[in-house]
Amino acid sequence: ETGVTQSPTHLIKTRGQQVTLRCSSQSGHNTVSWYQQALGQGPQFIFQYYREEENGRGNFPPRFSGLQFPNYSSELNVNALELDDSALYLCASSAWNAEGQEKLFFGSGTQLSVL
Amino acid sequence: AQTVTQSQPEMSVQEAETVTLSCTYDTSENNYYLFWYKQPPSRQMILVIRQEAYKQQNATENRFSVNFQKAAKSFSLKISDSQLGDTAMYFCAFMKVFGNEKLTFGTGTRLTIIP
Repeated sequence: ETGVTQSPTHLIKTRGQQVTLRCSSQSGHNTVSWYQQALGQGPQFIFQYYREEENGRGNFPPRFSGLQFPNYSSELNVNALELDDSALYLCASSAWNAEGQEKLFFGSGTQLSVL
Repeated sequence: AQTVTQSQPEMSVQEAETVTLSCTYDTSENNYYLFWYKQPPSRQMILVIRQEAYKQQNATENRFSVNFQKAAKSFSLKISDSQLGDTAMYFCAFMKVFGNEKLTFGTGTRLTIIP
């Protein structure tokens, strides 16, 4: 159990619509990252938020946006959905362990299908 | 930019045998981390093992060990005494030190443990 919860688990949308995916992480996890995993591929980094500010972004267009809230929850918003946006979306939060190593905790993802 | 290559899309091995998964990467960085993640059907990314590039000693975690060859940019995972629960997708991943937790993943190897 990683303590990272994503909702919904599955979602079906049509092309052109907008979608919001949600992630809830543990208290004290100040950083959250989002990844897109297309079928048969490894996850690709979308962006990261640290203390409610975007702190790094991958090669994704501006219609992918995010929010992070003080209660350690976050959102991924995608506007103008395209067929290629169909993928598993993973959220990961981070914390430091006793050995001073930063560790990522992944959620189980939201499977988005765009028709 | 970093790239991670996993050249074995699928592998299978008998239960209790040893299997090695291959990974190569390309980077101009000198300080970085390498990871192996396991993704079972539950879709959650589970950290298997982590290697700091500045450490010459290969990391081990119970039945899991790595062969890290920095000059060759190679990072293979050995699973000893394989168990049915090891059946999953395995992803090799790279992260720069102070890289804002951006993980670069390979395309994965689907490992099946045969009873």
